[in-house]
Order: sequence, then structure tokens, then C-alpha cells
Amino acid sequence: GAVVSQHPSWVICKSGTSVKIECRSLDFQATTMFWYRQFPKQSLMLMATSNEGSKATYEQGVEKDKFLINHASLTLSTLTVTSAHPEDSSFYICSANVAGEADTQYFGPGTRLTVL
Amino acid sequence: AQSVTQPDIHITVSEGASLELRCNYSYGATPYLFWYVQSPGQGLQLLLKYFSGDTLVQGIKGFEAEFKRSQSSFNLRKPSVHWSDAAEYFCAVGTYGNKLVFGAGTILRVKS
Repeated sequence: GAVVSQHPSWVICKSGTSVKIECRSLDFQATTMFWYRQFPKQSLMLMATSNEGSKATYEQGVEKDKFLINHASLTLSTLTVTSAHPEDSSFYICSANVAGEADTQYFGPGTRLTVL
Repeated sequence: AQSVTQPDIHITVSEGASLELRCNYSYGATPYLFWYVQSPGQGLQLLLKYFSGDTLVQGIKGFEAEFKRSQSSFNLRKPSVHWSDAAEYFCAVGTYGNKLVFGAGTILRVKS
């Protein structure tokens, strides 16, 4: 099956610093990648959709200057949380579509971000 | 607007017992429906999906789900639950742009 990885799996940073999270499709080229945020004991909330070489499309209420998404290749998307604050602490999960299976998302293992 | 309702926040079943997790959706067109499972601190694993055709869908780990258009439901079932099935289960509907709308999730606990 399609495998998606994320790095790092967890990160702790100081308030005001920036953190980059990588999402890679390991054995396929991803037509689209998605970034989600999940608060404890809650469901996933879509933050943005990104396509290789294009600007990401952000969901309503998500600050695009706060959460920078770069989709440089068909196998790599990055999410940078800029000037992180404690309220940005969350579980961030990415997913990707497989070409020819565009309606199915395969998820990464997630990244736990804690901002002190 | 599209929405997914999972009415049970928690379900506890005994190991070896059968399981049914409920999911109701609201979507104007023919829905693409999914069930995912999430273990603590992990990402989501796809259990099964329904796009069209046979309304009874088989998935991995012995799970199946039945699409019932008249009831707007897509319930997940397993005939005999194993302790390793304890996790959180999410039902989702696919929308425009291949986006997913998730239900709130159902936490499954398995008693030995």
C-alpha cells in the first residue's frame, strides 16, 4: 500500500521559534497532499491542500502566514509553523493522494508539536 | 454542507464479541465513504472505502461496512473483535477537491 512518512515524529520548541514538518510519499508520487490538525480527543481538521508547484489552498480560518506550506516535488510537502506559540501545540498529520486513486487519502503517522 | 455523524463517542465490547460502529452522513451527491482507524499517537490507517457498486464492502483486518442510501448510513462491522482492535475509528465522506470531512470518531475499548 501507499506509505506516507512524516518527520519529525515529535518536536518541542520555544515560543517564537519556527518549526518545519516534512511529509513524504515513499513509494508513490502524490498528486495532492493535505495537512490536518488534531487537538486531543477531537477529530481531524483540514488546514490546507497543496499541489506540487502550486500555492496551497487554505481552509477558512487558517492563517496562511502562520502555517507556510511548500510542495516542492511530487513526493515532498513541508509545513512550517512560524513564530510558534503554545496554542499552536497540536498533532499535525499529512495525507496524500495516489495518482489514479485520487479520491483516497493515505495518512502519515503524524507529528506532535509542543510549544513551550 | 457535507457532514458526518458518529453517534457513539465510546463503545466497549468483550473480546470475541461482534462489533458495529455507526456512521451517518449528509451529502447531496453519491458519496465516497471511508473508514479509518487511529491508534494512540499514530496517523490514520484506511480500513475500507465505498465508491460505488456492491453496497457491502470488505476491508482489512476482518472489517466490513454496508452502505445504505435510504438511511444515509455506512456502518462498520466486525464479527469477532480482538484486543488489538482497540483504537479510535473515524468515518469520513469525500467531497469536492478530494477533501475529506470526518466524523468526531468512536473510541473502541475491548474487554478481556
